[in-house]
Amino acid sequence: KAGVTQTPRYLIKTRGQQVTLSCSPISGHRSVSWYQQTPGQGLQFLFEYFSETQRNKGNFPGRFSGRQFSNSRSEMNVSTLELGDSALYLCASSLDRTAYEQYFGPGTRLTVT
Amino acid sequence: AQSVTQLDSHVSVSEGTPVLLRCNYSSSYSPSLFWYVQHPNKGLQLLLKYTSAATLVKGINGFEAEFKKSETSFHLTKPSAHMSDAAEYFCVVSDWDTGNQFYFGTGTSLTVIP
Repeated sequence: KAGVTQTPRYLIKTRGQQVTLSCSPISGHRSVSWYQQTPGQGLQFLFEYFSETQRNKGNFPGRFSGRQFSNSRSEMNVSTLELGDSALYLCASSLDRTAYEQYFGPGTRLTVT
Repeated sequence: AQSVTQLDSHVSVSEGTPVLLRCNYSSSYSPSLFWYVQHPNKGLQLLLKYTSAATLVKGINGFEAEFKKSETSFHLTKPSAHMSDAAEYFCVVSDWDTGNQFYFGTGTSLTVIP
C-alpha cells in the first residue's frame, strides 16, 4: 500500500497570506490527524478528522482549520499567516479513531517570511 | 490527563554498545504507548507499540521496549547500536479517553559514535 502523502513538500509564504496543505491517507484509513512540529514547541496536535467530522482539536487559534473529504483526504488551512507559523506540518492516518498506531507522512515544510 | 516525559534530551553511545532511551508516562486509563523515530527532514516512523498485550514489545531494527505499569515507564532499548540509528526518538501515549489523540514527548536525540 502507498503511504501517507502530503503536498506540497515545501512552501514559502509571506505574513498575512493564507495557505492550504493537503494530505492523502493510506487506503482504507478513515482517521486523519494533523500536527505542527517546531524546534521550540516540539510536536503539537492540531486536530483530528474521522468520517468528515472534526473529532478532536488541539490548542491552536481559529486561524488553523481543516476538513476531510468523503474519500478521507484531508486539507488544513492557515489564514493570516504569522512568522511563528513556520514549521513542519505532519499528517498522520490511522485505521480508526481508537488508539491504533498512526502512520505519518513526510510533512510539509512551511516557511513564513 | 495524559503526558509523556522523556528523561534525556540527548543520548550519545558508541557503535556496538547498548542503547537506552527513557520514557515515563502519565495516563488516566489503560494507555497505548508507542515509540517513533524521525530521521532528519523525514516524517515519523513507527518503531513499536504497546496496546495491553505482552509487556515486552519487540519492534523493527532490533529495538524493544518494556511496559512497566508500577513504574509508569516504557523505556526503549537496543542491544547494539548501529550508525543508522542516529535520529530523534519520540515516546507517545494515547488512550481511549482521548480517542486517537497522541501526546508526544519532547524527543531524545541519539548520537552514535563510530
